[in-house]
Amino acid sequence: DVVMTQSPLSLPVTLGQPASISCRSSQSLVFSDGNTYLNWFHQRPGQSPRRLIYQVSNRDSGVPDRFSGSASGTDFTLEISRVEAEDVGVYYCMQGSHWPWTFGQGTKVEIK
Amino acid sequence: EVQLVESGGDLVQPGGSLRLSCAASGFTFSNYPMHWVRQAPGKGLEYVSAISGDGGATYYANSVKGRFIISRDNSKNTLYLQMGSLRVEDLAVYYCAREGVPGTNDYWGQGTLVTVSS
Repeated sequence: DVVMTQSPLSLPVTLGQPASISCRSSQSLVFSDGNTYLNWFHQRPGQSPRRLIYQVSNRDSGVPDRFSGSASGTDFTLEISRVEAEDVGVYYCMQGSHWPWTFGQGTKVEIK
Repeated sequence: EVQLVESGGDLVQPGGSLRLSCAASGFTFSNYPMHWVRQAPGKGLEYVSAISGDGGATYYANSVKGRFIISRDNSKNTLYLQMGSLRVEDLAVYYCAREGVPGTNDYWGQGTLVTVSS
């Protein structure tokens, strides 16, 4: 199985400041169709995961533009330009290029 | 509006069986592959199983292969997960999710809790 390794696992942030979460895959996520199926999800306590980003850098409808995704080889990054209170929760990267699809361990974002 | 509503979660003894359902609405169900994803209490997310839109192809995580069966009834817009030989480690919230485009899940249900305990 493809192992997705996130860092950090805990991220205390200051409101209005930037934040960055890294995710590394154990193998290439470039699918046979040329696409890279790397996604980012956000989950608040007691809620279902919500997709933020798909195919590395495409923001879902309704997702603020302070969220952005990027990649360099097998290293992926989710950046929040200015953290807001509603951004707290756990962020997961997920690869959909190889079955079984796999998630990272999750990064818990909290306000300092 | 796309909606996915899971049901069927319950308390079951180790070795027992359970069937989960996921009722879909707001989209053409048969056009989309569907997934089951689970989350143990306080833990991360794990893909369990997937099925193609026509039901002809199925996929399972190694942890459930041979014990769980995924199926769908496109006439009823419903996804199922038949769970057998349940183990304590199967205790989790089970979510159904739509594969809107390849490689990702765009809509998720609210989840149903499966508790395996004697």
